[in-house]
Amino acid sequence: HLVESGGGLVQPGGSLRLSCAASGFTVSNNYMTWVRQGPGKGLEWVSVIYSGTTAFYADSVKGRFTISRDKARNTLYLQMNSLRAEDTAVYYCARVSPTTDDAFDVWGPGAMVTVSS
Amino acid sequence: SSELTQDPAVSVALGQTVRITCQGENLRHYYASWYQQKPGQAPILVMCGINNRPSGIPDRFSGSSSGHTASLTITGTQAEDEAVYYCNSRDSSGNYWVFGGGTSLTVL
Repeated sequence: HLVESGGGLVQPGGSLRLSCAASGFTVSNNYMTWVRQGPGKGLEWVSVIYSGTTAFYADSVKGRFTISRDKARNTLYLQMNSLRAEDTAVYYCARVSPTTDDAFDVWGPGAMVTVSS
Repeated sequence: SSELTQDPAVSVALGQTVRITCQGENLRHYYASWYQQKPGQAPILVMCGINNRPSGIPDRFSGSSSGHTASLTITGTQAEDEAVYYCNSRDSSGNYWVFGGGTSLTVL
């Protein structure tokens, strides 16, 4: 079970941090990922964090977004800086399946981020 | 990065069989996964690996792959299967993921 929070309205150039609280499994023991969906658009992969702190980012967010996790809080984060209008989307956190490690098998309900002045 | 190509829309008569396809060169090296998304809801995983259905997914859903094409087949399509279906896989580097553009399935 995953639940995102921290979404909202932010001005262009601003920052926001999304949180994704997990229950039923340990975030630090799994690969975790963020996926977003712009209004009326398809799914776009954003970032993944592997064991430890190894992480990868889509070109569209590289250098602006940072994925991280807190073992004690069992929570995944996405720090978003230098936000642009095109970052407006519903952001989903998901677990990368521990058995079929290419699939995203648990998803949160999503958090809306709106970048607008 | 690699791309995955899906037909934008497909329709099927109630109770009939429909196949949704996903094409991309990286599918020669990585499995496709399939997600169902209904309006206003988060996606759910319906197929992954070699024809692996997660718990709770009806057995009318099946998956296959050949060369650079992966397919999701729904046999005996039900009205509740009407949704947008997305495929995804790792890209050619193995460290990124990519989604197809989605296929909107209409059940007639």
